Amino acid sequence: DAGVIQSPRHEVTEMGQEVTLRCKPISGHNSLFWYRQTMMRGLELLIYFNNNVPIDDSGMPEDRFSAKMPNASFSTLKIQPSEPRDSAVYFCASRARLGTAVQYFGPGTRLTVT
Amino acid sequence: GENVEQHPSTLSVQEGDSAVIKCTYSDSASNYFPWYKQELGKRPQLIIDIRSNVGEKKDQRIAVTLNKTAKHFSLHITETQPEDSAVYFCAAIMEYGNKLVFGAGTILRVKS
Repeated sequence: DAGVIQSPRHEVTEMGQEVTLRCKPISGHNSLFWYRQTMMRGLELLIYFNNNVPIDDSGMPEDRFSAKMPNASFSTLKIQPSEPRDSAVYFCASRARLGTAVQYFGPGTRLTVT
Repeated sequence: GENVEQHPSTLSVQEGDSAVIKCTYSDSASNYFPWYKQELGKRPQLIIDIRSNVGEKKDQRIAVTLNKTAKHFSLHITETQPEDSAVYFCAAIMEYGNKLVFGAGTILRVKS
């Protein structure tokens, strides 16, 4: 069992550049969550999907952020254009099915925007 | 919506002592309460959870208690060891819901 896979693990980019973070959920899981973690704001839920459909994106900070889940085994979180305040660790998590609550986190992507 | 408050924000204990972290939640419909441990630079990992149909659950040195009436739950770590040093997050959710709401986290330091 490979667990949740995220790439890249570290990303350093300049302000204004586009950033794409990738996530592969655990096989068979049908819910996927994107979180952002910072010292100031803790763990924030950005968006989640059930069966590849975005259910709640109210946590997405602004229009510069977008997320897609084209199939059950892949999701992306895109920031365009990136800003220094987007620097954070971004976690992806997956859950087996609606009706179970346990979420399994990926290793995270540490994003630094200079 | 659900709101989870966690305290203390930092906790230092001597190796071998016990540590207690407390959380309160606002939504009486919440019925699933997990605890995650996050070591420095690592992902949050589930260490124990409790559902509202039980008042206490133990797993070796870790226990969680739940008071539904008061809407609070606590994590208890006994005989603490240096490897217990980490950030601990509580969370709450209505189990058939979607949004796991996390507390702000507690930095636990175990001094040897």
